[in-house]
Amino acid sequence: EAGVAQSPRYKIIEKRQSVAFWCNPISGHATLYWYQQILGQGPKLLIQFQNNGVVDDSQLPKDRFSAERLKGVDSTLKIQPAKLEDSAVYLCASSFPGTSSEQFFGPGTRLTVL
Amino acid sequence: QKEVEQNSGPLSVPEGAIASLNCTYSDRGSQSFFWYRQYSGKSPELIMSIYSNGDKEDGRFTAQLNKASQYVSLLIRDSQPSDSATYLCAVGGGGSYIPTFGRGTSLIVHP
Repeated sequence: EAGVAQSPRYKIIEKRQSVAFWCNPISGHATLYWYQQILGQGPKLLIQFQNNGVVDDSQLPKDRFSAERLKGVDSTLKIQPAKLEDSAVYLCASSFPGTSSEQFFGPGTRLTVL
Repeated sequence: QKEVEQNSGPLSVPEGAIASLNCTYSDRGSQSFFWYRQYSGKSPELIMSIYSNGDKEDGRFTAQLNKASQYVSLLIRDSQPSDSATYLCAVGGGGSYIPTFGRGTSLIVHP
C-alpha cells in the first residue's frame, strides 16, 4: 500500500517569496491534515479537510497561508508571502474520518526561509 | 485550548532497561490517544493507540491510560539503541475537534 506522498522534499526561498507544497494521501483516506513542525516542537495542526471540505482551520495564519483540496484527494498548501518564522517542516497526514482515527504521515517538506 | 504536556528530556536509559515516557492532557473529553516515534529528520510514525482506561501491550511497548488523572504513558521494555528517538504523544476527539500533539520526549538508549 502506497503511503502519503509529498513534494518537494526541500525548499529554500527568500522572505516575501511564495511557495507551494503538494500532498497525495493514502487511497481511501477521506481526512487530510497539514501540520507545521518547528525544530524541537511537536506538530501543530494548520488545517484539516474531510473530503474537499474544511473541518478546522483555526490555527492557519490566513493572511499568508492558504490550502485547498479541490477534488477531495490531493491537497496544496501555499504560503504567500513567506516570513523567516515560517521555516519549518510541513507535514501532511491522512486518516479515515474523525480525529479518533490513526494518522499516517508523509515524509514532509523542509522549508528554509532566508 | 486543548494542551498536551510532555517532558522534553532527554531521557537516558541503558540498553535492556525499561524506558517510561509520560504525557498529560487538559481536555477531559478526549477520546483517543496515540504515541508516535520520530527519528531525527524523519516524519512521525504511529507505534501505539489506546482508547480506553488500562494497559495495551504490543511487543515491547505498553501504553497505559488513566482518564481520571488525564494521564497516558508509554513503557518500552528491553530498550535498544534503535529506540533512540523523540516520542510524541497525541490526543484526539473530545470537545475540541483539533488533534493535538505534545512537544515530544527525546529518548536516548545507550549501549
